[in-house]
Amino acid sequence: DTAVSQTPKYLVTQMGNDKSIKCEQNLGHDTMYWYKQDSKKFLKIMFSYNNKELIINETVPNRFSPKSPDKAHLNLHINSLELGDSAVYFCASSQPRDRAGNTIYFGEGSWLTVV
Amino acid sequence: AQTVTQSQPEMSVQEAETVTLSCTYDTSESNYYLFWYKQPPSRQMILVIRQEAYKQQNATENRFSVNFQKAAKSFSLKISDSQLGDTAMYFCAFTAGPGYALNFGKGTSLLVTP
Repeated sequence: DTAVSQTPKYLVTQMGNDKSIKCEQNLGHDTMYWYKQDSKKFLKIMFSYNNKELIINETVPNRFSPKSPDKAHLNLHINSLELGDSAVYFCASSQPRDRAGNTIYFGEGSWLTVV
Repeated sequence: AQTVTQSQPEMSVQEAETVTLSCTYDTSESNYYLFWYKQPPSRQMILVIRQEAYKQQNATENRFSVNFQKAAKSFSLKISDSQLGDTAMYFCAFTAGPGYALNFGKGTSLLVTP
């Protein structure tokens, strides 16, 4: 069973479109994250939710809106896509104060290409 | 703010040899967690090893070990008996714990050659 799963894995879309990436974790974790990896492979936190509550909201354009319907799901919706949004987006989860020391588990990534 | 610095953008090692990847970090926290993640060309993020700052003993996972120097804020990764499958991008990462994000270094691209 995949622990953190994201869909779609690949997405090619035109500028100006709106798209969503879905994420689900079956680890029973309370905290979920979205990370962005740019073309230079730099990984940066975008958002973090703990039990459906937003706890980290980095400087991200408000075209990006996370939604957490329950603690096992954290979706990312992007409005009016721009060329610079092309990146790999990683969903991740962790369990605070677990024996693994807040280890963060990543999904396989969603490759978004805006043309 | 916590920062993580990996000063070696690229490294190369021959199969069966040992290589050490460097990582330094900056924080005012007294307890925190450090990680090394491996990212092969598939882009999957794979946890290699983790270290809790309050533990003085260096973590070890099979061929992977760390040299954790808390006073120097240094966390290097040693890969012994390098294998071709170790070719990947390696990221050092830091978190202060619950409620904090994982901050990554810029990565070191490791190539293992036959």
